[in-house]
Amino acid sequence: GQQVMQIPQYQHVQEGEDFTTYCNSSTTLSNIQWYKQRPGGHPVFLIQLVKSGEVKKQKRLTFQFGEAKKNSSLHITATQTTDVGTYFCAGFGNAGNMLTFGGGTRLMVKP
Amino acid sequence: SAVISQKPSRDICQRGTSLTIQCQVDSQVTMMFWYRQQPGQSLTLIATANQGSEATYESGFVIDKFPISRPNLTFSTLTVSNMSPEDSSIYLCSVVAGLGELFFGEGSRLTVL
Repeated sequence: GQQVMQIPQYQHVQEGEDFTTYCNSSTTLSNIQWYKQRPGGHPVFLIQLVKSGEVKKQKRLTFQFGEAKKNSSLHITATQTTDVGTYFCAGFGNAGNMLTFGGGTRLMVKP
Repeated sequence: SAVISQKPSRDICQRGTSLTIQCQVDSQVTMMFWYRQQPGQSLTLIATANQGSEATYESGFVIDKFPISRPNLTFSTLTVSNMSPEDSSIYLCSVVAGLGELFFGEGSRLTVL
């Protein structure tokens, strides 16, 4: 079945440093979504990427979808303490009937 | 966006007992989903709750252990039956929005002793 892997599992950064999490799928995806879960909270939708090679920005966050639609990345520029949380990617396979979550990357930011 | 209310928000239960989690959505939705998130882990889909028919369970989850009700288009319940400490998790209700993104309830944090 479809598998979605994320690296790294954990990342500690100093406030102001950049951060990137990578997402890789075992199969081609029709689209990919990103979610953020604050400590003690529930996952909150950030963005969806659909097109091959697509790049979207939300303030300090940059999301990319690979040309082959099998990988994606989330890059945060100049992290802040408010960025703390776990970031999950989730992909729909080409059958489009099931969303598979990656394992998540837990980001910790030292002030 | 949808507003999803779940209760209980947390509970501590004894081994062998059952707990029913309720999920209320502020608008009518076709499909509701139940996810499990074990401590420090990702989200795993338990089942899709369908109105008017039986829930569709994912591999590794069975109706006897996780019975689901969906009496109408705004409400669903998930029961965790005959609980063991391995069932200690966050259980999350979710619905699909217009672009296919998921909105989640705040989760029900279950600890089984």
